[in-house]
Amino acid sequence: KAGVTQTPRYLIKTRGQQVTLSCSPISGHRSVSWYQQTPGQGLQFLFEYFSETQRNKGNFPGRFSGRQFSNSRSEMNVSTLELGDSALYLCASSLVGRQGYEQYFGPGTRLTVT
Amino acid sequence: AQKVTQVQTEISVVEKEDVTLDCVYETRDTTYYLFWYKQPPSGELVFLIRRNSFDEQNEISGRYSWNFQKSTSSFNFTITASQVVDSAVYFCAFISNFGNEKLTFGTGTRLTIIP
Repeated sequence: KAGVTQTPRYLIKTRGQQVTLSCSPISGHRSVSWYQQTPGQGLQFLFEYFSETQRNKGNFPGRFSGRQFSNSRSEMNVSTLELGDSALYLCASSLVGRQGYEQYFGPGTRLTVT
Repeated sequence: AQKVTQVQTEISVVEKEDVTLDCVYETRDTTYYLFWYKQPPSGELVFLIRRNSFDEQNEISGRYSWNFQKSTSSFNFTITASQVVDSAVYFCAFISNFGNEKLTFGTGTRLTIIP
């Protein structure tokens, strides 16, 4: 079974631009979560989608948004990029979106904002 | 609020030594889940183990073992006979009954195995 895939793997953008990252979960997984990883803040939860609905959201500004499609694939968008948005963005999928099921992570998208 | 603490920022051991990574958590919830993930240099987080709050049995998987103690709110991870391939950053994480799918991570422990 294929794992979680994320595209693109690397991205360089300039301040003020916007970016869209994509995540394809493991087949059959309906819950997709997004995390931001930076050296200073560590791993922080962005949001989680289940059956096309955002169920949970972390403490990030409204510039960060996401969505999930009927095939469970998910995208996250960051508008008006800032230097501090440079990070590794990780997507994770889990089987049925029930509490406590293990989340499987993709390889991440490394975003650099210049 | 939930919190996960990994006090060891970096650990270096010589190959074949045993090493224990500590994890302490804080929560008022009675139902919760604890996890360990490994992040090798490639960046992908690799799931290692999940434990729920009602199961305090220790677990062993090959060279890996986990010690869960509710009395001390700890969920420690031991690697026996370490190998160079064990070099990575290890994260302890937590989900509570009321947290949906939001994983709260510790700050991670960078483990270096010296050949």
